[in-house]
Amino acid sequence: DTAVSQTPKYLVTQMGNDKSIKCEQNLGHDTMYWYKQDSKKFLKIMFSYNNKELIINETVPNRFSPKSPDKAHLNLHINSLELGDSAVYFCASSPQPGQGYGYTFGSGTRLTVV
Amino acid sequence: GESVGLHLPTLSVQEGDNSIINCAYSNSASDYFIWYKQESGKGPQFIIDIRSNMDKRQGQRVTVLLNKTVKHLSLQIAATQPGDSAVYFCAGSNDYKLSFGAGTTVTVRA
Repeated sequence: DTAVSQTPKYLVTQMGNDKSIKCEQNLGHDTMYWYKQDSKKFLKIMFSYNNKELIINETVPNRFSPKSPDKAHLNLHINSLELGDSAVYFCASSPQPGQGYGYTFGSGTRLTVV
Repeated sequence: GESVGLHLPTLSVQEGDNSIINCAYSNSASDYFIWYKQESGKGPQFIIDIRSNMDKRQGQRVTVLLNKTVKHLSLQIAATQPGDSAVYFCAGSNDYKLSFGAGTTVTVRA
């Protein structure tokens, strides 16, 4: 069983399109995150949800809208995709907010905007 | 917030030698630090952590050292193996989030 699973693994789309990435965790964690990893491997937090409530929004453009229907799921919807959105997006979860121990990442979604 | 940075973007190591990866942080309020390993095509995986009330912690073949005076931590890998080739990140915990450094790519030479 994959602890944190993301779909799709690869996503290639044209500029201006709208796309979604899904994430599910089966660890029973309360907190979930979205991170963006750029071409230089830098990992930057985008959003964090704790028990379905948004607790961190790191000045991400409002074209990005996370949705957490329950604490096991955190999806990311992106409107009007731009070339600069190309990156690898990682979902993660942890037992409590900011706890490094038990922080578990998904395997990533490589988004390419052409 | 926390700013976490690594000293060197790449490190080439002979198999069997010890590796040392360095990291500096800016926020003295950070009380918890973690090292992660990211292999190609995968997400980061937890290696070892350390709390700010400690200066050293050992795991299996890995040791993390924390110097709060100069806000520096390091990861030492003993007897580096080909499977250790990966990108290594340090992260600091503050304000309910982890902040990651840029990553050091470790390449193990046979």
